[in-house]
Amino acid sequence: EDKVVQSPLSLVVHEGDTVTLNCSYEVTNFRSLLWYKQEKKAPTFLFMLTSSGIEKKSGRLSSILDKKELFSILNITATQTGDSAIYLCARIGGGSNYKLTFGKGTLLTVNP
Amino acid sequence: NAGVTQTPKFQVLKTGQSMTLQCAQDMNHNSMYWYRQDPGMGLRLIYYSASEGTTDKGEVPNGYNVSRLNKREFSLRLESAAPSQTSVYFCASSEDLDRGTGNQPQHFGDGTRLSIL
Repeated sequence: EDKVVQSPLSLVVHEGDTVTLNCSYEVTNFRSLLWYKQEKKAPTFLFMLTSSGIEKKSGRLSSILDKKELFSILNITATQTGDSAIYLCARIGGGSNYKLTFGKGTLLTVNP
Repeated sequence: NAGVTQTPKFQVLKTGQSMTLQCAQDMNHNSMYWYRQDPGMGLRLIYYSASEGTTDKGEVPNGYNVSRLNKREFSLRLESAAPSQTSVYFCASSEDLDRGTGNQPQHFGDGTRLSIL
């Protein structure tokens, strides 16, 4: 049973479209949820969400966490070809659990 | 500003050969991690080290060993490589997760692409 489930697994859009990526997670020992963008090499950090209902924004990207319904969304507005990447969602467990548990990722392709 | 450095970047092995992947970080982080990434599988944790001198198994530890040589370095060893271990391997480091709010994101190296024939 997956502890972090992302949807859709892949998505193709045109430049200028708005996309919403979804991530649901298991509640046990939940501490925080992270979003990463991965292009050709290492994942790069986007957002960390700990509190429910507080939107985090960075340019055209924004994300929010719903701890009641156990999910997070990542929104990208006015998409550009440079947004094409794998978007990874991961949860941090609580207590002495230092580990990140990743979802399988969403492959976003933005066509000109 | 190196961050997390992994060597080598690419490697091809034959089945049964041994190999050590190296990882070093210069951010004075206590915690270090090894992940593997396979198509359609996301990143899966192999082993992690919460502090110098400690290591623990992750989700997929079979076939691997690790050594936390010192605070900076965390190596991953394949004693007898198998084709199923063909993957991209990422090392990461982070500050302690139990200090303050305890929520520090992990910093990743650029990965080692390993092919086993």
